[in-house]
Amino acid sequence: SSELTQDPAVSVALGQTVRITCQGDSLRSYYASWYQQKPGQAPVLVIYDKNNRPLGIPDRFSGSRSGNTASLTVTGAQAEDEADYYCNSRDSSGNHVIFGGGTKLTVL
Amino acid sequence: QVQLQESDSGLVKPSQTLSLTCAVSGRSITSGGYYWNWVRQPPGKGLEWIGYIYDSGNPYYNPSLQSRVSISVDRSKNQFSLRLSSVTAADTAVYYCAREAFRVGYYCMDVWGKGTSVTVSS
Repeated sequence: SSELTQDPAVSVALGQTVRITCQGDSLRSYYASWYQQKPGQAPVLVIYDKNNRPLGIPDRFSGSRSGNTASLTVTGAQAEDEADYYCNSRDSSGNHVIFGGGTKLTVL
Repeated sequence: QVQLQESDSGLVKPSQTLSLTCAVSGRSITSGGYYWNWVRQPPGKGLEWIGYIYDSGNPYYNPSLQSRVSISVDRSKNQFSLRLSSVTAADTAVYYCAREAFRVGYYCMDVWGKGTSVTVSS
């Protein structure tokens, strides 16, 4: 399969927890990677592999997987977390890169 | 610290060829261990993978663009390049180059360029 499906928009109250999901058959073979993108900026990797964060990414960001669904959880969302979030992996063949359509996170 | 820098392309006329380079600093492209990708983002839309190259091996392309795209490596300049032919307004986008790391079970784009805006217009 060559598609990753994300909800277009999610909102969360300041300080609360939110989960952003990504669904696709390839996620049974590969862990999703997650990227945060703020307006006018390049994407930034926030989660990769089973649940790893690059240096400098706050530990309120975490990742998980169940079956063909990957999740990005933000525990205690902050105003600066308001952004677009994209999931990504390879397709089931492993040869092509695929991105989800993105989820706009609004922090209320 | 690895850094990627896209060249400027700016305005390209319809039917012409878009050409971009991504200069890599801090690591040799041909030392292996990473895929070198091009990704684009049309205004107001999501990320779209264009293609990648590994070392100087065979590139892989998005099937939707395969007939028009070419990615190559210039070892002497430690950079990789994108050529997209027969452009239309639909190719207007911010173009990013990105390094993709991999291990068993995952791939991730851990380093991105700042992006370069390309407009297709006569």
